[in-house]
Amino acid sequence: DGGITQSPKYLFRKEGQNVTLSCEQNLNHDAMYWYRQDPGQGLRLIYYSQIVNDFQKGDIAEGYSVSREKKESFPLTVTSAQKNPTAFYLCASSPQGLAAETQYFGPGTRLLVL
Amino acid sequence: GDSVTQMEGPVTLSEEAFLTINCTYTATGYPSLFWYVQYPGEGLQLLLKATKADDKGSNKGFEATYRKETTSFHLEKGSVQVSDSAVYFCALTNRGSTLGRLYFGRGTQLTVWP
Repeated sequence: DGGITQSPKYLFRKEGQNVTLSCEQNLNHDAMYWYRQDPGQGLRLIYYSQIVNDFQKGDIAEGYSVSREKKESFPLTVTSAQKNPTAFYLCASSPQGLAAETQYFGPGTRLLVL
Repeated sequence: GDSVTQMEGPVTLSEEAFLTINCTYTATGYPSLFWYVQYPGEGLQLLLKATKADDKGSNKGFEATYRKETTSFHLEKGSVQVSDSAVYFCALTNRGSTLGRLYFGRGTQLTVWP
């Protein structure tokens, strides 16, 4: 059953702590994306990666880091430098070429600050 | 730059009412247009898309027509159901960009009462 999985569903962060959100896909897609969703603000792009071992900053990359060591995995780390991390985080993937127009989303991780 | 503007919600309707959610866009080149739906606590699912002017996307009774002359992609459904309650996002991707990134509107919350 192909798809995108994100874990955990809920994540709690303490002050000064780094936390990592997992994103895995078995769709054999080349491109992967991380979005942040806040109420009433739509989705904002944090980072994206078009191929393994390569990634670029999106619109709100400050306070976040990523890696892309494997095609199927694109973890996001929320660092202590991100002062307002409470949000719903969505991972997405897409194939390359013309089909890249359609992105497939995971179920999301809700991050809360203690 | 590329952007999407959609009507603010929330929208509250009775079952079997007619639905319109307005969406307009700004883009250079030849964008493709999308409607995504997000059910409570979940990620986004592609609802429909249109890749060129005058195309009509349709799915599950929802329709939207790509109008280049008015730069619009309004979502319509003739008879909504309680199960249509969700947040709807208009989005575009610009084929002039090699990034394949999506630009989202802020989302419109739809609640349908029985």
